[in-house]
Amino acid sequence: GAVVSQHPSRVICKSGTSVKIECRSLDFQATTMFWYRQFPKQSLMLMATSNEGSKATYEQGVEKDKFLINHASLTLSTLTVTSAHPEDSSFYICSATRGGWETQYFGPGTRLLVL
Amino acid sequence: QKEVEQNSGPLSVPEGAIASLNCTYSDRGSQSFFWYRQYSGKSPELIMFIYSNGDKEDGRFTAQLNKASQYVSLLIRDSQPSDSATYLCAVNNQAGTALIFGKGTTLSVSS
Repeated sequence: GAVVSQHPSRVICKSGTSVKIECRSLDFQATTMFWYRQFPKQSLMLMATSNEGSKATYEQGVEKDKFLINHASLTLSTLTVTSAHPEDSSFYICSATRGGWETQYFGPGTRLLVL
Repeated sequence: QKEVEQNSGPLSVPEGAIASLNCTYSDRGSQSFFWYRQYSGKSPELIMFIYSNGDKEDGRFTAQLNKASQYVSLLIRDSQPSDSATYLCAVNNQAGTALIFGKGTTLSVSS
């Protein structure tokens, strides 16, 4: 199978702090990783597409200076929510593909609560 | 704005029945279609994908694609209570660089 892990699974932080979320492909090399955000009872909204060794491609409306993405290796991508605010509270999910964008394998998600 | 539409439900079926989940999409250029299952509080897991018109079967699941009608469906035979979840339909975007997800249909299978 294709296993993707995320860490942490749950985080609570104060407003104004930064939070880093890690996404790892455990048993395959992920050329592309995707970051999604999901609000309660809403669908997954793609935030950005991350390719190893290059800058992430952000979707319209997603602030790249607020949501910093680093894809330093073929097995690790990180999302840093900078200066988090209560409205950033959400379920953040990463996914990874072996090649291209087709079959995406999702991580277990990170639930962020900003107080 | 390219869209993927699903009836939010809930769709309620008795155990053992066939559950039929439907999805329509707006971009005629879409080539690849996916069904994901998401349990409450969990991330999505891939059930199956389909590229060609017609039916594709995998165990109790059958995906049906009709590109002319821009319609894709998922049939679940012999529904089990463990199938109770939200089912997300996803299609590729025009550039082929990402997936667009519908809001999902919540399925409830009663024992």
